[in-house]
Amino acid sequence: DGGITQSPKYLFRKEGQNVTLSCEQNLNHDAMYWYRQDPGQGLRLIYYSQIVNDFQKGDIAEGYSVSREKKESFPLTVTSAQKNPTAFYLCASSINGWVAGNEQFFGPGTRLTVL
Amino acid sequence: KQEVTQIPAALSVPEGENLVLNCSFTDSAIYNLQWFRQDPGKGLTSLLLIQSSQREQTSGRLNASLDKSSGRSTLYIAASQPGDSATYLCAVNVWDAGGTSYGKLTFGQGTILTVHP
Repeated sequence: DGGITQSPKYLFRKEGQNVTLSCEQNLNHDAMYWYRQDPGQGLRLIYYSQIVNDFQKGDIAEGYSVSREKKESFPLTVTSAQKNPTAFYLCASSINGWVAGNEQFFGPGTRLTVL
Repeated sequence: KQEVTQIPAALSVPEGENLVLNCSFTDSAIYNLQWFRQDPGKGLTSLLLIQSSQREQTSGRLNASLDKSSGRSTLYIAASQPGDSATYLCAVNVWDAGGTSYGKLTFGQGTILTVHP
């Protein structure tokens, strides 16, 4: 089956810890994205990557870091600098972010809770 | 800065009704608009994608329209069913400051739909 997988489904973090959320896709898509969803605030873009070894900050990148060493993988690290990390994190991909009209597909999400 | 608003925030209807969900955006310079469905605790499922040059798209009981000049899109659901109960999100594909779209989506806050038997 082609699609986007995210792991873990649930993640708990202690104060001061860094945690990494996994996102993998086997759709052969070039572009990948990370969004954060908070109740009542919709989805907000954290980071995006158009191609391997390249990524750009989105609207709320502070306290987060990413890497794109492989086409199929785009892990997100939530660092201790992120003051309010409790949220639902969604990863997405599209064939090519530069070509207008490309549909985005989403993974099942990871719910992060700070203890 | 592009802002997307969805009205109503919540909607409850009896099974079988036809219904309309509304989405408005402040900047008409969009590449496309995408409607999604989200079930509780789940990821987003893409329903319809409308290119900026199109006026509407249809898939089964769903029909989405786009009026760029007025900054509006509607999602029409015909003959609603309890299985349609979910949160519906619209998102616009925005221009970068340099005039390029990198596929970045700006989302509305969603409409929570409940269809009761």
